[in-house]
Formats: sequence, C-alpha cells, structure tokens
Amino acid sequence: AQRVTQPEKLLSVFKGAPVELKCNYSYSGSPELFWYVQYSRQRLQLLLRHISRESIKGFTADLNKGETSFHLKKPFAQEEDSAMYYCALKISRGSARQLTFGSGTQLTVLP
Amino acid sequence: EAQVTQNPRYLITVTGKKLTVTCSQNMNHEYMSWYRQDPGLGLRQIYYSMNVEVTDKGDVPEGYKVSRKEKRNFPLILESPSPNQTSLYFCASSPTARTDSTEAFFGQGTRLTVV
Repeated sequence: AQRVTQPEKLLSVFKGAPVELKCNYSYSGSPELFWYVQYSRQRLQLLLRHISRESIKGFTADLNKGETSFHLKKPFAQEEDSAMYYCALKISRGSARQLTFGSGTQLTVLP
Repeated sequence: EAQVTQNPRYLITVTGKKLTVTCSQNMNHEYMSWYRQDPGLGLRQIYYSMNVEVTDKGDVPEGYKVSRKEKRNFPLILESPSPNQTSLYFCASSPTARTDSTEAFFGQGTRLTVV
C-alpha cells in the first residue's frame, strides 16, 4: 500500500534546540517526497522537496531509501517555526501523479 | 497575484441543505483537487480533475460532487450535507499531474460546520 506515516501528532521543543519531524513512506516505485507547512491561519505551502536537495528556512530533509524515511530537520528551532507540518508522497493514480499526505505533526517551539 | 481562491471561508449550514464551495485559480493550471483536513487524519483527497471535463474520485468522495466546466473553476458540491462532513476543506491546483516535482498551490481553506 502507498502510505505516508508521521508518527508524532504533536512535538514541542525549546527555542534553539534541534528539531526532527519524522516521516516514513511505503511506495513500490521511485518516491518523490515533499514537506508542506501550514502556519497558523494560513494556507498550506510547499517547504521543500527531496529532489531539490535544498535548505529552506534552515530546514533540510534527506531521502533515505533504505529506511524509507524523509525526516525533516533543523539544528536550531525558532519560535516562528511553530506550525503544522505535512510530509507528502507523489503516487500514481491512473495517469496522474498525485500527492498523498501524512497525518501531520504540529510543531510548537517554546520560548 | 497568482493564487487559488476559495469561497466562502466559513460556512455554517443545516443537515440536508445543498451547498457549493467555489474554487478558482488564475494560473492556467490543468490539475485541481479538493481535500478535507481532519484532526489526526491529515489531508485526504476528495476529488481531482486532470483538465476540463475530466474529474475522478479521490480517497473520500462519498457525499460530494464536483464539476470542471472551465479550466479556472472547480466547485465542490454537497447535495445533502451531513454532520460528518464538518471539516476544513482545501482546494489545490498544479500546472499538471503528469510529471513529478510540480508544486501544489493551496487555497486559504473553507471551514464548514454542518449542524
């Protein structure tokens, strides 16, 4: 089955501490993975995609095919990082390539 | 400004009263979809559309209808809403669904309460 699992519904860290949001996937094909973020009262927006290998707002995520993981990391969390984070996987549905989302992790960065 | 616009942002309605949530994008995107967001369940896809007049069911289509008569609009129709359709709804669009790595652009969300 094609699935994205985010095991932590809630995650709290103190400002300046490292943060890691976990994401595991199940997909028989070549995975295309993304992290989306939703700040309070704002729309969902793309944070980063694995194919770009970029760092956005200090966040990075490495695709580990052996562990089927795509964890999101930041070495020093900031209060403005508090948000809902969704890991997403592109899957094939008919002729379409579509996003399937994990259940999300609510990150709270405490002062 | 390139964007996806949903209306209304908030809606309270009664069981059985037909309603439509509109979604419009100004980016000439081929692909549009509707999701509902529920606590602990994340985003689940309701319906999607690959292009004009091409729609298909997502993971949770029961109780919903959609249409795609024009490229820019993708309304979500609840013919007879029920309380279990109380949720936060998001419309999204992408340039295409035929290739990878294309970003999905989301609307601001519509919070629907059915009493």
